[in-house]
Amino acid sequence: QSVLTQPPSVSAAPGQKVTISCSGSSSNIEANYVSWYQQFAGTAPKLLIYDDDKRPSGIPDRFSGSKSGTSATLGITGLQTGDEAVYYCGTWDSGLSGGVFGGGTKLTVL
Amino acid sequence: QVHLVQSGAEVKKPGASVKVSCKASGYTFANHFIHWVRQAPGQGLEWMGIFNPGGGAATYAQKFQGRISMTGDTSTSTVYMELSSLTSDDTAVYFCARDYLNSWNNFDNWGQGTLVTVSS
Repeated sequence: QSVLTQPPSVSAAPGQKVTISCSGSSSNIEANYVSWYQQFAGTAPKLLIYDDDKRPSGIPDRFSGSKSGTSATLGITGLQTGDEAVYYCGTWDSGLSGGVFGGGTKLTVL
Repeated sequence: QVHLVQSGAEVKKPGASVKVSCKASGYTFANHFIHWVRQAPGQGLEWMGIFNPGGGAATYAQKFQGRISMTGDTSTSTVYMELSSLTSDDTAVYFCARDYLNSWNNFDNWGQGTLVTVSS
């Protein structure tokens, strides 16, 4: 059972938009920055979003992050088949004094 | 260019220990924390702890307290993660990741992962 809650899966058609939610609490998401990672099978995760809504260089602006209270959201527009992956949210939990991740959301581009 | 290169796959018996290395290059080793994250087969990411190569201090997830140790060697820019009293539940891919902002929020470069299999 992950501290952060994500939907197990989401799907959308190519070219469409999808959002992935990440629900936490006052000791993690509300109190600390959130980051998002993309992971393809058999590879290491890749940073997509940090500080809630900032994109590292090289990450297209199709990817966006937002946060409100105890929840964060990853948005992906102009979906491509190459976006099919598992997406994880993560943050620091001040109560646990440790890092926490969501359980991951598998994106299917139909 | 930043690279984190991890040691190779390991097979261990229950009760044994494993030590995984993560060699950094392409940046000033002492300036960025290194985290360890593991992923059991078919499961999600699990944070294990953080190591400060500049000062040598480490902070561990509560779950691993007492059986985990993170150390570093500034002469070779290498961080080590040792996990003891292994059980089958420790079978996983172990990743090291650089924390660019030292804020637990910017794991910008990852190692390739090290598969640790615990089996009798």
